[in-house]
Amino acid sequence: DQQVKQNSPSLSVQEGRISILNCDYTNSMFDYFLWYKKYPAEGPTFLISISSIKDKNEDGRFTVFLNKSAKHLSLHIVPSQPGDSAVYFCAASAGSGGSNYKLTFGKGTLLTVNP
Amino acid sequence: GAVVSQHPSWVICKSGTSVKIECRSLDFQATTMFWYRQFPKQSLMLMATSNEGSKATYEQGVEKDKFLINHASLTLSTLTVTSAHPEDSSFYICSANGLDEGGYTFGSGTRLTVV
Repeated sequence: DQQVKQNSPSLSVQEGRISILNCDYTNSMFDYFLWYKKYPAEGPTFLISISSIKDKNEDGRFTVFLNKSAKHLSLHIVPSQPGDSAVYFCAASAGSGGSNYKLTFGKGTLLTVNP
Repeated sequence: GAVVSQHPSWVICKSGTSVKIECRSLDFQATTMFWYRQFPKQSLMLMATSNEGSKATYEQGVEKDKFLINHASLTLSTLTVTSAHPEDSSFYICSANGLDEGGYTFGSGTRLTVV
């Protein structure tokens, strides 16, 4: 039973355009969500997070939107750059942001930004 | 920011042997560390939660006698894959409840190949 789903295995975008990566979850206990960027043979790098008390969080080119009623979140990257090409993982926890709580990851979306 | 050092970055071992992977928090103390496994093009799957000074909590389906976890200090957790088999070949990643924004700091991962 996959509690965090990233239904698009890959996404290709032109440089300068917007990249939108989607994530759905089924566990209503999840209240903290994170996005990670990962290169092959490396650990994930934290990008941005959002608490369930918010519906939007922005950090530079990265914005995460949360729709609790739909159990859906998305990561927007604007403008996309070739250096953004990587696998992006959505993760969720039920610990209100406390880092003693385990994360549940989606399968990831491979983003390719073409020059 | 917080750094988690994971060693070795890759290891090849023969079937039947044991392999130890170390995860160290370099500039902070981590009461909790997590061990994940990732198969190609798959999600990061949590294997176990390691708490300093107590027994690890294993996820359903993970053999605790095969994947031995020790968290003897606030800066070091180890994962030992005992009697390794080719199906144990995978990418293993640790994370610690660190100081970085997002709360979780990941190691760089270990590629284990059992031949």
